Amino acid sequence: EDQVTQSPEALRLQEGESSSLNCSYTVSGLRGLFWYRQDPGKGPEFLFTLYSAGEEKEKERLKATLTKKESFLHITAPKPEDSATYLCAASGSARQLTFGSGTQLTVLP
Amino acid sequence: DTEVTQTPKHLVMGMTNKKSLKCEQHMGHRAMYWYKQKAKKPPELMFVYSYEKLSINESVPSRFSPECPNSSLLNLHLHALQPEDSALYLCASSQERTEAFFGQGTRLTVV
Repeated sequence: EDQVTQSPEALRLQEGESSSLNCSYTVSGLRGLFWYRQDPGKGPEFLFTLYSAGEEKEKERLKATLTKKESFLHITAPKPEDSATYLCAASGSARQLTFGSGTQLTVLP
Repeated sequence: DTEVTQTPKHLVMGMTNKKSLKCEQHMGHRAMYWYKQKAKKPPELMFVYSYEKLSINESVPSRFSPECPNSSLLNLHLHALQPEDSALYLCASSQERTEAFFGQGTRLTVV
């Protein structure tokens, strides 16, 4: 059975304090590893897709990386508007998205 | 355009009502999904349509009935729901082996 585990559950940072979110996965036949941002009461917003170990993607203050067992979402010099829940999801041979439980990020001014 | 549009945004219904949620995408995606999300939990897959055919039903109670009238539209018909069915209902679409794009959801409250 495919599994995706995210840590930490919650993270509070001061504005400008860089950190990383972790996503560990056990997926048969990984087809893609996805990162989403979700604001309260809204649908998940797509951020990145990673397909193979060693791949990296960047967007503004966010950088996603992938190894054979984990993905990291690095947040550099975060701002309060980066506060949200960040969801990791993996798609395997079953073709369904398996979501992690998310990391709730709060960036304090 | 990476937009998935869901209507209505909010819905309050009684346990004896019948209502429908609607979803539309114009990205040419051939897979469409319904998810249910409770507060502080990740989305849970309910149904998958692939090329307008139901390919996955995650043991969802029959009071939820999906319909895919064409490749751009997805409906979720609701009947005789329970208060525990109150949640954020999300529609998504994707191509093969690519990211899914989500709508903003319908906040459903069953009274």
